[in-house]
Amino acid sequence: DSGVTQTPKHLITATGQRVTLRCSPRSGDLSVYWYQQSLDQGLQFLIQYYNGEERAKGNILERFSAQQFPDLHSELNLSSLELGDSALYFCASSVEGTWNTEAFFGQGTRLTVV
Amino acid sequence: TQLLEQSPQFLSIQEGENLTVYCNSSSVFSSLQWYRQEPGEGPVLLVTVVTGGEVKKLKRLTFQFGDARKDSSLHITAAQTGDTGLYLCAGLGSNYKLTFGKGTLLTVNP
Repeated sequence: DSGVTQTPKHLITATGQRVTLRCSPRSGDLSVYWYQQSLDQGLQFLIQYYNGEERAKGNILERFSAQQFPDLHSELNLSSLELGDSALYFCASSVEGTWNTEAFFGQGTRLTVV
Repeated sequence: TQLLEQSPQFLSIQEGENLTVYCNSSSVFSSLQWYRQEPGEGPVLLVTVVTGGEVKKLKRLTFQFGDARKDSSLHITAAQTGDTGLYLCAGLGSNYKLTFGKGTLLTVNP
């Protein structure tokens, strides 16, 4: 158990819909990273938050948004869903805001868009 | 864009065999990490290598960072069924972002 909690574990939804994925970081970790993993693209960095502020952006679509709340949990919002958004979405957390310190991944949310 | 190519993409071996997987790039990385990911789980960090030419050992696993810090290898000695999983390398680039390779899926058969 990495200490990072992601909910839900599985999500099935229809095209055009909107979903919210939730991540609770390890106790004491200030930084949260979101990744998307698919068979053809591998693990793609989406966005990072540090202590409530956006720190870095990766290949995140405009239909996707995220935030980190004062209690440090984070949510990833995916809207106008397309079939191609089906993937595993991972959250990782670390103490500091850089990848120089070890980051711990959650078990992921498997999103299926039908 | 800094890309990491991992090879082979798939590897199926018998228990007790040795294997090496590779992680290559045309870009220089300040450090390189190796992860193992098991089905239904997130990636777990195995090691971070920082210095060109660095070799780190973790029990039966040996990690090497290339002299030019563009490539890395992971060697497993006497593989066990518990080594089965997706092995991912990830490089920390000049943009301070971590870029992952697509991974090598290793299956160790009893």
